[in-house]
Formats: sequence, structure tokens, C-alpha cells
Amino acid sequence: EAGVAQSPRYKIIEKRQSVAFWCNPISGHATLYWYQQILGQGPKLLIQFQNNGVVDDSQLPKDRFSAERLKGVDSTLKIQPAKLEDSAVYLCASSILQETQYFGPGTRLLVL
Amino acid sequence: GQNIDQPTEMTATEGAIVQINCTYQTSGFNGLFWYQQHAGEAPTFLSYNVLDGLEEKGRFSSFLSRSKGYSYLLLKELQMKDSASYLCAVRRKTGANNLFFGTGTRLTVIP
Repeated sequence: EAGVAQSPRYKIIEKRQSVAFWCNPISGHATLYWYQQILGQGPKLLIQFQNNGVVDDSQLPKDRFSAERLKGVDSTLKIQPAKLEDSAVYLCASSILQETQYFGPGTRLLVL
Repeated sequence: GQNIDQPTEMTATEGAIVQINCTYQTSGFNGLFWYQQHAGEAPTFLSYNVLDGLEEKGRFSSFLSRSKGYSYLLLKELQMKDSASYLCAVRRKTGANNLFFGTGTRLTVIP
């Protein structure tokens, strides 16, 4: 069974630029999560989708972050404009409803 | 709100046993997860406890006491490849059933 796929794996941008990350969850997993993991910390949930609807986006900085999951499968997370403090690993995870979450390899973002 | 505490770093010897503790404070507790994360990689699921007691899975075991807000992960017969961060995460019984992660314990296994 294929795992969660993410791209790109690495991204370097300058502050105030925009960036987008892509995630393809495990087939059949209705729930998709985006996390931000800053170096030395645990993952912090940004947004949770169930199918194509948002379940929780309470910790998403909505002035600069946006996410969508239009067809209930793939998802994109966008940052516009990026700040230095957005440098982190962005992890996508998926699960069957609210069961065990399985993580993708992450996208490592560096904002200069 | 919720609070999760784990030791920041631990060191143990190859072949030994190590116990990584996690204490938590949360309302609406609905399960505790342990994940392993090697440097530069994604977290991988290790164990899940929702009832009190010990869950054993090969060399790894996880214990939960809900009344004490306490869990531990026990690693036996340590191998060098067990050097990683171990993340404790609590799930709350909210509509979203989200996970809240601790900062992780970095375990170094030495020969």
C-alpha cells in the first residue's frame, strides 16, 4: 500500500514570496491533516479536512496560510506571503476518519 | 487547553531497556499515541492506548494511567537504530478528535 506522498521535499524562498505544498493521502483515507513542525518541537496541527470539508482550522494563520482539498483527495497548502518564522517542516497526514494518523515525508521549507 | 511534558533528551546503552515518560493535562481525553521520528523523517506510529494498562508490541510497550495523566513508552533490547525522537500525543474528545503533540524525547543509543 502506498503511503502519504508530498512534494516538493525541499523548498527555499525569500521572505514575502509565496509557496505551495502538495499532498496525496493514502487511498481511501477520508481525513487529511496539515501540520507545521518547527525544529526541536512536536508537530502542530494547522488544518484538518474530512473529505473536502474543513473540520478544524483554528490554528491556521489565515492572514497568510490557506489550504484546499477540492475533490476530497489531494490537498494543497499555500503560504502567501512567507515570513522568516514560517521556516519549518510541513507534514501531511491521513487517516480513516479519526483513527491512527499516517504521515508523509514532509516538505522542509527555509525562508530567507 | 492541554499540556504535555516529556524529557527533552535521554541516553541509553545498546541492549538495555529504557523508559520514556509522558505526563499530560487535558480535558476530554480520548487516547494517547506514541510516534517515533528519525532525524529528517516523518513520524511513524508506534502505539495507541485509550484504556489503562500495558500494550505490548514486540520490543516496544506502552502504558497508560488516565487517573494520573501519565504514560510511558518502554523500549527493550535497545538497538542503535532506535536512536530517534519519541513523540507523545494526546487526542481530545472534541468534534475534530485532533492530536496534540509534546515536544518529543530525543533518545540516543550508545554502544
